[in-house]
Amino acid sequence: GAVVSQHPSRVICKSGTSVKIECRSLDFQATTMFWYRQFPKQSLMLMATSNEGSKATYEQGVEKDKFLINHASLTLSTLTVTSAHPEDSSFYICSAAGTAKNTEAFFGQGTRLTVV
Amino acid sequence: GEDVEQSLFLSVREGDSSVINCTYTDSSSTYLYWYKQEPGAGLQLLTYIFSNMDMKQDQRLTVLLNKKDKHLSLRIADTQTGDSAIYFCAEIPYSSASKIIFGSGTRLSIRP
Repeated sequence: GAVVSQHPSRVICKSGTSVKIECRSLDFQATTMFWYRQFPKQSLMLMATSNEGSKATYEQGVEKDKFLINHASLTLSTLTVTSAHPEDSSFYICSAAGTAKNTEAFFGQGTRLTVV
Repeated sequence: GEDVEQSLFLSVREGDSSVINCTYTDSSSTYLYWYKQEPGAGLQLLTYIFSNMDMKQDQRLTVLLNKKDKHLSLRIADTQTGDSAIYFCAEIPYSSASKIIFGSGTRLSIRP
């Protein structure tokens, strides 16, 4: 299957700093990328949907100024957690789709963010 | 609304079959998925089924779909310790344009 690479896999940062997470589709062009957040022992929650070259669409309750998403190319999307706080500590996962109605969502490995 | 429900835990003996159940609400869903998540890792697509199918088998995995009851199940035959993980049921409702709706996940534990 297609490969989606997410980097870094783990990051620890100080409260108040910003962290950038990258999501790359290695062998296909991802017109749409999704960013999810997973709280401990809970399911994935969609944060936002980004289409290449346009602004991301955020789900209700997700602060767009805090979670900056950029999808500048067909192979790369980034999520920047700005002014991180301990409550932002979570597991973030991206997925990429090459068509408007994907039959198969390709997921990155996830990023464990810990804010201290 | 769109909702996918699963039981949170399942414990089976090694070598037995595991059956993980899922119910969904959107009857327009065209694709239904099972994902596996090992500790600290991303999601791995195990299998998916089109809504016009009743059953799909892939080696040790069997997916059953009951559209009338909106019920999906995943059966893992001869469960091994390596099958320990969280299993997520997911759907793409026709109206959502690629937005995947996940269940809460079922944590499968294997006992000797």
